[in-house]
Amino acid sequence: NAGVTQTPKFRILKIGQSMTLQCAQDMNHNYMYWYRQDPGMGLKLIYYSVGAGITDKGEVPNGYNVSRSTTEDFPLRLELAAPSQTSVYFCASRLDRGAYGYTFGSGTRLTVV
Amino acid sequence: RKEVEQDPGPFNVPEGATVAFNCTYSNSASQSFFWYRQDCRKEPKLLMSVYSSGNEDGRFTAQLNRASQYISLLIRDSKLSDSATYLCVVNEGPMNNNAGNMLTFGGGTRLMVKP
Repeated sequence: NAGVTQTPKFRILKIGQSMTLQCAQDMNHNYMYWYRQDPGMGLKLIYYSVGAGITDKGEVPNGYNVSRSTTEDFPLRLELAAPSQTSVYFCASRLDRGAYGYTFGSGTRLTVV
Repeated sequence: RKEVEQDPGPFNVPEGATVAFNCTYSNSASQSFFWYRQDCRKEPKLLMSVYSSGNEDGRFTAQLNRASQYISLLIRDSKLSDSATYLCVVNEGPMNNNAGNMLTFGGGTRLMVKP
């Protein structure tokens, strides 16, 4: 049981480039999330999804897009990368709302230069 | 005002000490509570859920005080390996609105256990 898998683990982008951060979970979790964490700071929610075909904005969605075509996958798209998007990105999933906690992926460390 | 507030620390304690962290939350409708641990440059990992009756897992004890809207984590007999950032996490919403769709994270309390 792999849990939540994120790829790539590291990436360097040039300003203006685009990329997709991949996230997949094999636990049949309905809820999936994307967070970013800047150095020494807390987690900020970018986007989340409560099920296939349903996505919603979090606290810091500008500059990002998501899709949820399957229960398993929740990719995060960065268009026109900017230095302000340099961060560690964590994907998380959760079986349902209520008393369920998150399971996190190991993160993608992104640097935009 | 932040929804979930924690003292950022750091708390510097010697091995074997007992240390306690508190966390306050602002939304009285909050339903579920958790403590997560995050090591440097790693993902957060669930340490324990917090139940109304309080719960214990080995050296770790979590308490919930709904009247005062705070959660605590007590670590006894601290080990060097306990050095990490401890995140207080709250499910803010009741079961029937969007606020319950995500968890709200505190900024974390950093613990450093010294030999």
